[in-house]
Amino acid sequence: KNEVEQSPQNLTAQEGEFITINCSYSVGISALHWLQQHPGGGIVSLFMLSSGKKKHGRLIATINIQEKHSSLHITASHPRDSAVYICAVLGTSGSRLTFGEGTQLTVNP
Amino acid sequence: DGGITQSPKYLFRKEGQNVTLSCEQNLNHDAMYWYRQDPGQGLRLIYYSQIVNDFQKGDIAEGYSVSREKKESFPLTVTSAQKNPTAFYLCASAAGDPIEKLFFGSGTQLSVL
Repeated sequence: KNEVEQSPQNLTAQEGEFITINCSYSVGISALHWLQQHPGGGIVSLFMLSSGKKKHGRLIATINIQEKHSSLHITASHPRDSAVYICAVLGTSGSRLTFGEGTQLTVNP
Repeated sequence: DGGITQSPKYLFRKEGQNVTLSCEQNLNHDAMYWYRQDPGQGLRLIYYSQIVNDFQKGDIAEGYSVSREKKESFPLTVTSAQKNPTAFYLCASAAGDPIEKLFFGSGTQLSVL
């Protein structure tokens, strides 16, 4: 079993739909990161969470430390949101990340 | 603008050949990382460095080598001992302790001829 599990692996939505991507982890962490990878491979950091909730534009990320679970929500989805979304956890030692396998999101117009 | 530059974008390796992937950052970050990405798998850590002239092996270091002679530069050499080198390689740098912000290069696709 992977230390970081994402679901779903693939997600197809229609433009305007509300989207949720989930991340569960099995180890103690100091923080959790959400990343976005576009076709072509470049990765952009979206959020770093250690507790609670963060919002940036149409993106919302939440984390529940007790349940070892985080969610990434996209409101009013748009085709330009199509990408792979990756969850990564930072162990308590502080400097190494463990990555989930990613969720491929496709938003159709 | 600050950022990370990886080169080349595509690289082909012949049997028995060592190849070097370049990673340069002008973000003044101490920590730098090399990851390997294979289809259907999460990123896996090859090597990382938290300070100049020091680096540590990650989870899949066999067949790879690195150096950190300058803060800005963290090149990765894929040696002939790496028998399955075909993959997408990503370099990253990080700010904060614990890591608060990650910056990635655009990646290098390495293939075997």
